[in-house]
Amino acid sequence: GDSVTQMEGPVTLSEEAFLTINCTYTATGYPSLFWYVQYPGEGLQLLLKATKADDKGSNKGFEATYRKETTSFHLEKGSVQVSDSAVYFCALFSGGYQKVTFGTGTKLQVIP
Amino acid sequence: ETGVTQTPRHLVMGMTNKKSLKCEQHLGHNAMYWYKQSAKKPLELMFVYSLEERVENNSVPSRFSPECPNSSHLFLHLHTLQPEDSALYLCASSQDVWGPFYGYTFGSGTRLTVV
Repeated sequence: GDSVTQMEGPVTLSEEAFLTINCTYTATGYPSLFWYVQYPGEGLQLLLKATKADDKGSNKGFEATYRKETTSFHLEKGSVQVSDSAVYFCALFSGGYQKVTFGTGTKLQVIP
Repeated sequence: ETGVTQTPRHLVMGMTNKKSLKCEQHLGHNAMYWYKQSAKKPLELMFVYSLEERVENNSVPSRFSPECPNSSHLFLHLHTLQPEDSALYLCASSQDVWGPFYGYTFGSGTRLTVV
């Protein structure tokens, strides 16, 4: 079955540091890939997505590129801020009736 | 009001109580979902409704009973819960049956504690 593997957290960075959160997946066919973000006390928000190989999703300074050859969708940001502190979830949708597979989440802490 | 709204935000209930969680969306979406979020585990899909019909029940115990009276409202009725049911319960919606292709809209969740 489908699966998503994320790096374990927490990831602690200083403000303005470079961020990478790794995500790899296993799926049949050609899934759509997503990153969601969950701020403290809130639900998940869609951060970015990519629907086919080599697509780059981007939003709020975050980027992720759909790499089919390595089955990866790593999240990057060039300069993190304290306000980016949250839990980040990688997810995929490979068709089938409304089934989305989520990773376990990676907590990011950004310190001033 | 826009987006997906869940009430209550926090709920503490005893194992013999009956309570309900409410979800409301004003996005014109036709599909709604209940997810369970527990610490250090992936999100677990519980129920899916499309156009007010239940299309998925992911082997959820009968002590959880969903209800979707119309395309804007979704309820989760709870009774005789166990302490391991304590979790964050998230409601989500999407445009239609292929909505997850474009992503979900989530509510802020109900933090449930069973004592």
